[in-house]
Amino acid sequence: AQSVTQPDIHITVSEGASLELRCNYSYGATPYLFWYVQSPGQGLQLLLKYFSGDTLVQGIKGFEAEFKRSQSSFNLRKPSVHWSDAAEYFCAGYGGATNKLIFGTGTLLAVQP
Amino acid sequence: GAVVSQHPSWVICKSGTSVKIECRSLDFQATTMFWYRQFPKQSLMLMATSNEGSKATYEQGVEKDKFLINHASLTLSTLTVTSAHPEDSSFYICSGRIGNSPLHFGNGTRLTVT
Repeated sequence: AQSVTQPDIHITVSEGASLELRCNYSYGATPYLFWYVQSPGQGLQLLLKYFSGDTLVQGIKGFEAEFKRSQSSFNLRKPSVHWSDAAEYFCAGYGGATNKLIFGTGTLLAVQP
Repeated sequence: GAVVSQHPSWVICKSGTSVKIECRSLDFQATTMFWYRQFPKQSLMLMATSNEGSKATYEQGVEKDKFLINHASLTLSTLTVTSAHPEDSSFYICSGRIGNSPLHFGNGTRLTVT
């Protein structure tokens, strides 16, 4: 079955430290993959997307993600985290026989001063 | 660009009443709109997919008679929660898409049924 998995429910990093949020997917073919961010009580904002081509994609707010087919992963990274990055991050994907966007369970990021 | 406006942002209603949530794509024509539901501290669960001018396709376990979806135009979709009960209290988020473009989300509606 098609799925998107985020292994980490909650992550805490110090401000200024680097960040990597994990995402694994299970699709028959290369899916379209996305990272969204959600602040409390708010909707979702698209950070970046991967459709094809260059496997390292740049997004907004200094985020980037790398598509690795061999590992079925699409991890989100940021070299230096800011306190304002504290939020919930969702990896999502669709592809194959369906055009439904499936979300991972989310990773809640806390940033320590 | 690609703004989706959702209204209202929050609503409180009494058990047994119906609530309508509107989702508008402001600067693009959304050929497909999706409605998601999100329980506290959980991920988004797709409720239904709607294409303009046709009936919505509901996910397994979602009561189509309870959650009425209308996609009357390329810029407007509505979700009506009929005969709402406290267990329907949740955060509902709509999204719109053109073709295979990424989904653009509204800011969500917090529904509380008392």
